[in-house]
Amino acid sequence: GAVVSQHPSWVICKSGTSVKIECRSLDFQATTMFWYRQFPKQSLMLMATSNEGSKATYEQGVEKDKFLINHASLTLSTLTVTSAHPEDSSFYICSARVRGGRSLDTQYFGPGTRLTVL
Amino acid sequence: DAKTTQPTSMDCAEGRAANLPCNHSTISGNEYVYWYRQIHSQGPQYIIHGLKNNETNEMASLIITEDRKSSTLILPHATLRDTAVYYCIVRFTLNDYKLSFGAGTTVTVRA
Repeated sequence: GAVVSQHPSWVICKSGTSVKIECRSLDFQATTMFWYRQFPKQSLMLMATSNEGSKATYEQGVEKDKFLINHASLTLSTLTVTSAHPEDSSFYICSARVRGGRSLDTQYFGPGTRLTVL
Repeated sequence: DAKTTQPTSMDCAEGRAANLPCNHSTISGNEYVYWYRQIHSQGPQYIIHGLKNNETNEMASLIITEDRKSSTLILPHATLRDTAVYYCIVRFTLNDYKLSFGAGTTVTVRA
């Protein structure tokens, strides 16, 4: 099956610093990747759609200047949380879209990154 | 995308089949039914999807009613590792690639 990795798996940082999270599709090319955020005991919330070679599309209420997304290649998308604050502490999960064949359109998810901002 | 309704939680016995229902009464003809699950502190895992025919893979079976207003995910022989939150998602795949996650069903498999 399609494998998506994330790095780091967890990170602790001080308030005001920036944190970069990487999302990689390991065995396929992904023209579209997605970034989600999940707070404790809540469901996943889509933050943005990342398309290779173009600007990301952010969901309503998500600050694009705070959550910088770069999708520079067909296998890598990065999410940078700029000037992180404690309220940004969350579980960040990426997914990559697989096209073709019977799969039509399926998203495969990374294992997630736990961000804790002190 | 059509909204889905799932029970909040359910228990099942290890080794028995687990039948997870999902209502999607407003589903349109071009919308697919997807199932994902999320084991605690992990990313969601794709299980199966279908349009109107029943589907089966190595993980589960998906039974969609003839009117497509509801579906059932069947885990044929539940194990303790199947304990997770299961999400039923309905989406139109041709021009909108987003997945909208609801609250899902928390399934607990008991020994």
